[in-house]
Formats: sequence, structure tokens, C-alpha cells
Amino acid sequence: DGGITQSPKYLFRKEGQNVTLSCEQNLNHDAMYWYRQDPGQGLRLIYYSQIVNDFQKGDIAEGYSVSREKKESFPLTVTSAQKNPTAFYLCASSASGNNEQFFGPGTRLTVL
Amino acid sequence: ILNVEQSPQSLHVQEGDSTNFTCSFPSSNFYALHWYRWETAKSPEALFVMTLNGDEKKKGRISATLNTKEGYSYLYIKGSQPEDSATYLCAFTWGTYKYIFGTGTRLKVLA
Repeated sequence: DGGITQSPKYLFRKEGQNVTLSCEQNLNHDAMYWYRQDPGQGLRLIYYSQIVNDFQKGDIAEGYSVSREKKESFPLTVTSAQKNPTAFYLCASSASGNNEQFFGPGTRLTVL
Repeated sequence: ILNVEQSPQSLHVQEGDSTNFTCSFPSSNFYALHWYRWETAKSPEALFVMTLNGDEKKKGRISATLNTKEGYSYLYIKGSQPEDSATYLCAFTWGTYKYIFGTGTRLKVLA
């Protein structure tokens, strides 16, 4: 089955620690995205990548970093510089920049 | 600041009722308008992508219309069923890779 996987589903982190969220897709899509969802807000774009070895900041990139070494993988690192990291994180991919996006199941990150 | 608004925020309907929601978006720099359905504990799933003013799309009992000149899209559900219960998201794209999502309309269909 083609799709997007994210792991883990739930993640707990202590303040001051970096943590990496995994996102893998087997849809052969060029573009991948990371979004954050907070209560009462729409999905907000953190980073996106158009192709391997390229990525761009979204609207709320501060305190986050990404890499795109393989087409299938787009991990997101939440660094200790992110002031309010507790949120629900969604990864998505698309064939190109304006096509429909396919989403993963999400990771809920809680900072203790 | 570009903003996408969806209304209502939530609604409850009886099984068999027809319903509709609104997505309002900026009328300038329009590339596409997307609708997604997001069921609890699942991933958001694409319903429609619309690019032309006057576009109408249909999938089963669900249909959508687009007015880019005035900046709105309607999503209609005919004869709502309990399995239609979900949050319906719209997303406006104003450039390549430039997506802005609304906060969604949460629909609950009562049996």
C-alpha cells in the first residue's frame, strides 16, 4: 500500500531536549511538508521540500530543522530553541507544488 | 496577512439532512482551492482540488463549487450519513507550495 508513515504516534520530551519526528513516503512524490496544528488554529507550515537536498522555511520555521537526504524521507527536528513545541505535527507529500497533498497520521508531541 | 476562514466552526445535523459549509479566501493571487476530509484518528484525505472560477466538483453525495472572483467555495453534502462525520478543511494556494489552511468545519451527523 502506498502512503505516508509517521513515527512515533505519541512523543514526550523534557524541556531542553531536541527530538526528531520521522516521516516516510512511498508515493514517489517530489514534495514533502511539515505542518503544526494547535487548538483552534489551521494547519501551519513549518518547512517544505521540493526535491531531495532542498528545503525551504514555511511560516513558523523558528526552532525547527529538517533534512531531505532521500526522496522518501523528511525528518523534522524540534530543537530546544522552539519555545512552545507541544502540538500535533502532520507530515504530507504531493507530486508537485499545487497538487493535492497526502497526509500521514501525525505525531503528538508533549513537552514535560 | 492572507487568511482563510471557514464557517460554521461546527454543526450537528440529522441523518438524511443536506448541509453546506463555506470557505472564504483572498480573491487575489489565486492558484487553487483544496478541500480535505479529516476523520477522527485518521489522516486528512483530499476531496477536491479546484482551480478555475466556476468549477464544480462532485464525489458521490459530496460536491463543491468555486468562485474565485469573490473568494469563496461551498462544500455540499446531500443526505448526510453518520460516516460523513468529520472535520472538513479547505486550503488556499496562492503560489507554488504556498498553502494556507482554514481551521475547519466540524460536522457531526446524528443517527
